[in-house]
Amino acid sequence: DSGVTQTPKHLITATGQRVTLRCSPRSGDLSVYWYQQSLDQGLQFLIQYYNGEERAKGNILERFSAQQFPDLHSELNLSSLELGDSALYFCASSDPGLAGEETQYFGPGTRLLVL
Amino acid sequence: GNSVTQMEGPVTLSEEAFLTINCTYTATGYPSLFWYVQYPGEGLQLLLKATKADDKGSNKGFEATYRKETTSFHLEKGSVQVSDSAVYFCALSDWNNQGGKLIFGQGTELSVKP
Repeated sequence: DSGVTQTPKHLITATGQRVTLRCSPRSGDLSVYWYQQSLDQGLQFLIQYYNGEERAKGNILERFSAQQFPDLHSELNLSSLELGDSALYFCASSDPGLAGEETQYFGPGTRLLVL
Repeated sequence: GNSVTQMEGPVTLSEEAFLTINCTYTATGYPSLFWYVQYPGEGLQLLLKATKADDKGSNKGFEATYRKETTSFHLEKGSVQVSDSAVYFCALSDWNNQGGKLIFGQGTELSVKP
């Protein structure tokens, strides 16, 4: 158990819908990262937050957005869903160590299926 | 940009065989390097890491050495067990003064037969 929790575990929805994925980082971790894992793209970085502020952005679609709240939990919002958005979405957190050397601890993931 | 390349799988071994999974990287500077493992139906777990050249990371019988000259971080284990069956990901830390991310290889599936 990494200490990172994600809800829900599974999500089935229809094209065009909007969903919210939730992540609670490990106690004391200020950084939260979101990744998408799919068969064709592999593991892709989406976005990073540090103590409520966006710090790094990957190839995140405009239909996707995220935020980190004062209690440090984070939400990833996916809207106008398409079939190709079906994937496993991971959240990770890290403590404020030396930049670039921190270990990222991953949650169990949310499996999204868009029908 | 920075990237990671892993040997393709799946890799199938008998129990107690020697394991090598190759990983090479392309990066500016000297990023930290990581191996993560993903068991079926689970998230990624850190297996080991190395933060500078010639460092050796090790854990649970697995080890990998950060080789700057060959830009490699190959994963090895002397004697694999059935319980080692999983997907292994090599990753590097891509960082600037604002923040950063992990860049992953495509993953190598390992299957160990009794």
